[in-house]
Amino acid sequence: DILMTQSPSSLSASVGDRVTITCRSSQSISGYLNWFQQKPGKAPEALIYATSSLPSGVPSRFSGGGSGTEFTLTISNLQPEDFATYYCQQSYSRPLTFGPGTKVDMK
Amino acid sequence: QLHLQESGPGLVKPSETLSLTCIVSGDSVSSGNDYWDWIRQSPGKGLEWIGSIFYTGTAYYNPSLMNRVSISIDTSKDEFSLNLNSVTAADTAIYYCARRTQKIFGVVINLFDSWGQGTLVTVSS
Repeated sequence: DILMTQSPSSLSASVGDRVTITCRSSQSISGYLNWFQQKPGKAPEALIYATSSLPSGVPSRFSGGGSGTEFTLTISNLQPEDFATYYCQQSYSRPLTFGPGTKVDMK
Repeated sequence: QLHLQESGPGLVKPSETLSLTCIVSGDSVSSGNDYWDWIRQSPGKGLEWIGSIFYTGTAYYNPSLMNRVSISIDTSKDEFSLNLNSVTAADTAIYYCARRTQKIFGVVINLFDSWGQGTLVTVSS
């Protein structure tokens, strides 16, 4: 199985901040990296696919990058609705695996 | 607008079988570009992919659950189902069904782009 790790596990930030979350895979996943946002009591929602592409409707303040085994999710100009938990997920090989999550809360 | 809805018992006894169904509306499970997946989330294990099925009936499972899980699909009803047998307290989780889109503009993405709201299943006597 491909092990996904994330750092930090949590962070505190303020509205307007720029936030970066890092995701690492235990082996190269050739850019097959997705990001999800989850709010309490809700299902995860797709935020970024294939490392850096945004699904329709996702605000452009979200961006993704990276390659090989290290990837980033950046939220520029953090908004109140962005306080949530973020998960990375590799879609390179089965079993599909998720990172443990990064909780972004209000400073 | 695609909508997925999980249904099934919220309480299952240890050693019995957990059975859930996902009803799909707004799209057909036979669309041909999508897999239909089950994912669960528990405090202890985070998000865990259980398995997926294509409209042809071809299914893939997480090896960690392989000997206990089966997923089936009913294209006439646009629904797919999960059976997990010999459950223990470790199987207590929120269970989600999801659509996994294989490709966008010919590019493979394998993205869970639509999720059900999730259903909590507790394993307890």
